[in-house]
Amino acid sequence: DTGVSQNPRHKITKRGQNVTFRCDPISEHNRLYWYRQTLGQGPEFLTYFQNEAQLEKSRLLSDRFSAERPKGSFSTLEIQRTEQGDSAMYLCASSAAGASSYEQYFGPGTRLTVT
Amino acid sequence: AQTVTQSQPEMSVQEAETVTLSCTYDTSENNYYLFWYKQPPSRQMILVIRQEAYKQQNATENRFSVNFQKAAKSFSLKISDSQLGDTAMYFCAFLDGGATNKLIFGTGTLLAVQP
Repeated sequence: DTGVSQNPRHKITKRGQNVTFRCDPISEHNRLYWYRQTLGQGPEFLTYFQNEAQLEKSRLLSDRFSAERPKGSFSTLEIQRTEQGDSAMYLCASSAAGASSYEQYFGPGTRLTVT
Repeated sequence: AQTVTQSQPEMSVQEAETVTLSCTYDTSENNYYLFWYKQPPSRQMILVIRQEAYKQQNATENRFSVNFQKAAKSFSLKISDSQLGDTAMYFCAFLDGGATNKLIFGTGTLLAVQP
């Protein structure tokens, strides 16, 4: 297994457009996290899935954001009607169940630029 | 709410020297985990070292070690024999022992290893 992968790596979009990002976690990991990282800041938690169930969403996740993990494997994060303030790096992480659940492994991120 | 503070935005060290990065946190929890993550330029976040709060012994991973002071809520990272490849942003992160396991990050310390 090659680790957590994210696509696309970079996305440039115009304000008002919709964008969708994909995350493929490590295959045996049932927990999946989305974080957002703006320039000069640490990542901030957005949402968490255990298998296909979305169990927590941050207040940062406005109505324009939606995340899914339909079969408990890959996940998508969609942003509708993008705004310039959405420009950031979107990071996905995954972790295993049980005793190792506290170790999260990160993907390379998707850098979003809204013009 | 838990918070993580990294008060050193940037640090520099000569190759082969030792450097210590500082981190303090605030929580009312008794069961939690602390991490240091490394984010090299344009590369993904890598877990460097972890510490379980219930363990008194400081964690060590090769050239990386921590000084965990639970009463003072301090968690510093020491890098010995610094190498050029250690140049990166270093983030301190807190994870509570609850159901979600979301990470709370500090703002990071940019470490530059000079030849």
